[in-house]
Amino acid sequence: DSGVTQTPKHLITATGQRVTLRCSPRSGDLSVYWYQQSLDQGLQFLIQYYNGEERAKGNILERFSAQQFPDLHSELNLSSLELGDSALYFCASSVVVSGSLAGELFFGEGSRLTVL
Amino acid sequence: AQKITQTQPGMFVQEKEAVTLDCTYDTSDQSYGLFWYKQPSSGEMIFLIYQGSYDEQNATEGRYSLNFQKARKSANLVISASQLGDSAMYFCAMREVDSGGGADGLTFGKGTHLIIQP
Repeated sequence: DSGVTQTPKHLITATGQRVTLRCSPRSGDLSVYWYQQSLDQGLQFLIQYYNGEERAKGNILERFSAQQFPDLHSELNLSSLELGDSALYFCASSVVVSGSLAGELFFGEGSRLTVL
Repeated sequence: AQKITQTQPGMFVQEKEAVTLDCTYDTSDQSYGLFWYKQPSSGEMIFLIYQGSYDEQNATEGRYSLNFQKARKSANLVISASQLGDSAMYFCAMREVDSGGGADGLTFGKGTHLIIQP
């Protein structure tokens, strides 16, 4: 158990719909990352938040947005869903120490999204 | 250009043999971190080992060791005495220092699917 909690574990929805994925980081971790894993693209970094503020942005589509709340949990919102958005979405957290490169990411079990 | 390259999409290895999973990386930074993760069929991502670019010794964690060759920009994972439970996807990843001087997230390679045969 990594200590990172993601809900829901599975989600099936239709094209054009909107979903929200939720993540609770490990206790004490200020940084939250979102990754998308699909068969053809591998693990793609979407976005990172640190203590409530956006820290880094990766290959995140404009239809997707995220936020981190004061209690440090994070939500990833996916809208106008397309078939190609079907993927496993991971949340990860870490203790980010300024200038430190060590410190692994702890991953949740993922939310598997299927768009029909 | 790919920052992390894993050239072996899949590997079959006999149980109890040692395994080397290849990883090369591309960065112009002097300071960076390299990670390996395991993803079994159940889907979770499990951290295995970390190597800092300034670490003089190769990292080891139990049966896992990292063969770090800085000049070649390679960070191969070595699994000694492989077990059936080692069958999984293995991902190499890198962390670089961001423009603000802090540490960024991880960039992953596409992975190697390792299958251990009895």
